[in-house]
Amino acid sequence: GQNIDQPTEMTATEGAIVQINCTYQTSGFNGLFWYQQHAGEAPTFLSYNVLDGLEEKGRFSSFLSRSKGYSYLLLKELQMKDSASYLCAVKNSWGKLQFGAGTQVVVTP
Amino acid sequence: KAGVTQTPRYLIKTRGQQVTLSCSPISGHRSVSWYQQTPGQGLQFLFEYFSETQRNKGNFPGRFSGRQFSNSRSEMNVSTLELGDSALYLCASSLSGTGAPGTEAFFGQGTRLTVV
Repeated sequence: GQNIDQPTEMTATEGAIVQINCTYQTSGFNGLFWYQQHAGEAPTFLSYNVLDGLEEKGRFSSFLSRSKGYSYLLLKELQMKDSASYLCAVKNSWGKLQFGAGTQVVVTP
Repeated sequence: KAGVTQTPRYLIKTRGQQVTLSCSPISGHRSVSWYQQTPGQGLQFLFEYFSETQRNKGNFPGRFSGRQFSNSRSEMNVSTLELGDSALYLCASSLSGTGAPGTEAFFGQGTRLTVV
């Protein structure tokens, strides 16, 4: 089966950097995804990693280490609109995409 | 292009009734997954359909079922509704369901089901 762990909540100041960690266990790894979900809205895709290393997309970067079952999402130059839940999701070889419980990021002025 | 469309957006049902939710994926997407989202449990995987076949299944009772049509549209059905079935039901579509770049899942706005 799959097991995905991420912190419940993180608080950071506007303009700062926050790193959200995600650890996972899965049989048949086929990619790790990060999604952002604002309250009352659907999740939206942020990033995808399937090989080890860092993927950068503007203010957001995501890192993967397959041997350690570990990923992080880095949010730089935090803005108030970044206050949301960030979901780590792992896809297995059979196409099953399973989500962690999400990390609520609170950005304060 | 049009996004993932879920209907209805809101639904109120009484215990014991059944409900059918609909999901129209992005054109060209063949994989459709369903999730239940509640405040305490997060996004729970229900099942995934690919080319009209259920390819993956989560740990939900048999009261939860689904199907996919030849045009990739999908429906999920919940029979004998319980109060605990109150949740946001999200549908997500992707090109193939495999983990390659460009196959990320896109979500619909969800159906908010309230069981009273």
